[in-house]
Amino acid sequence: DQQVKQNSPSLSVQEGRISILNCDYTNSMFDYFLWYKKYPAEGPTFLISISSIKDKNEDGRFTVFLNKSAKHLSLHIVPSQPGDSAVYFCAASASTGAGSYQLTFGKGTKLSVIP
Amino acid sequence: KAGVTQTPRYLIKTRGQQVTLSCSPISGHRSVSWYQQTPGQGLQFLFEYFSETQRNKGNFPGRFSGRQFSNSRSEMNVSTLELGDSALYLCASSPGRGTQYFGPGTRLLVL
Repeated sequence: DQQVKQNSPSLSVQEGRISILNCDYTNSMFDYFLWYKKYPAEGPTFLISISSIKDKNEDGRFTVFLNKSAKHLSLHIVPSQPGDSAVYFCAASASTGAGSYQLTFGKGTKLSVIP
Repeated sequence: KAGVTQTPRYLIKTRGQQVTLSCSPISGHRSVSWYQQTPGQGLQFLFEYFSETQRNKGNFPGRFSGRQFSNSRSEMNVSTLELGDSALYLCASSPGRGTQYFGPGTRLLVL
């Protein structure tokens, strides 16, 4: 059972336009959400996170929106740049007791920004 | 601060062998987690260590094990390797909750 889903395996966007990556989750115990960016043969790089007590968090060109009632979050990149081309993973965490916070990942969306 | 480091970066083994991978977390981080990434399954959680104790474990067979040392460095071991164990193994460290910072990974190929 996939608890974090990224339903779009790929997305192509023109340079300068907005990229919107979507993520849905099923586990209502998740209370912290993260986006990671990954290039081939490298580890994921942390981009931005949001706590369930917020509905929006911004960091430069990156904004994450959280809709708890719909169990949906999205990552907006504005403006998109060719260097943003990578695989983006959505991840969620919930305390598993004794302070442990296991991350559950979606399967990723490959973003291609076309110059 | 230096990032998370993993050694070796690449490894080739044959079925039935065992392998040990190493991870050095970011200085000051006491939590180390391990993940397996395969094309079909994405990133899957293996286990997490905190202060030398395994705090959490994913749904992997007992052939996968790990440990953490007093300096927070961690190792994971896979015994009796199978072809399906070929993957990118990622280590991540965390200062506390939520945000985990990943190393470059170890690419394991089992022949």
